Amino acid sequence: EPEVTQTPSHQVTQMGQEVILRCVPISNHLYFYWYRQILGQKVEFLVSFYNNEISEKSEIFDDQFSVERPDGSNFTLKIRSTKLEDSAMYFCASRRLRGANEQFFGPGTRLTVL
Amino acid sequence: GIQVEQSPPDLILQEGANSTLRCNFSDSVNNLQWFHQNPWGQLINLFYIPSGTKQNGRLSATTVATERYSLLYISSSQTTDSGVYFCAVVPGSGNTGKLIFGQGTTLQVKP
Repeated sequence: EPEVTQTPSHQVTQMGQEVILRCVPISNHLYFYWYRQILGQKVEFLVSFYNNEISEKSEIFDDQFSVERPDGSNFTLKIRSTKLEDSAMYFCASRRLRGANEQFFGPGTRLTVL
Repeated sequence: GIQVEQSPPDLILQEGANSTLRCNFSDSVNNLQWFHQNPWGQLINLFYIPSGTKQNGRLSATTVATERYSLLYISSSQTTDSGVYFCAVVPGSGNTGKLIFGQGTTLQVKP
């Protein structure tokens, strides 16, 4: 069964460093998302991406964040200069079509900023 | 924006017991999903259920969209059911499909 994959599973970085989190969505999906979950809290929407552009972003998704689909399979989230408060689990998700349908999540990348 | 409230926040059960988790939402929705977050942090899809009733083994879910709530039933609970259960909705007014999550119900099943 197709699934969303994410790498790395765990990333440790120093404050101020750039990190790139990678995702491979399900191959015939058209809508892509990043979510964040700070330890012990609920999952929060960061950004949605369709047709090679951002379709919606949350207040969390400031200028330090960017997303890219560099080729036909990968979808990346870049944090330019990490802060301590960026420590969280980051989930990538995808869904197939416009309209109401199921969203599938990757296993997450746990980012630890020291 | 839409509010998603889950109850109870915490639940402790003995193995074999049944439970009902509730999700209330404050506005119309296009999509509703239930997830189980396992001890490794992974979000496992349980149900995609914008309306109606579905069953999968010991789990079942019902969404009454007109009354803005959904219920997740767990029967004959097992220790492996422990974890956090999240309800998430796509607001009816949005068109990007973003999911808005509730705070979750933390379930502990004791042997």
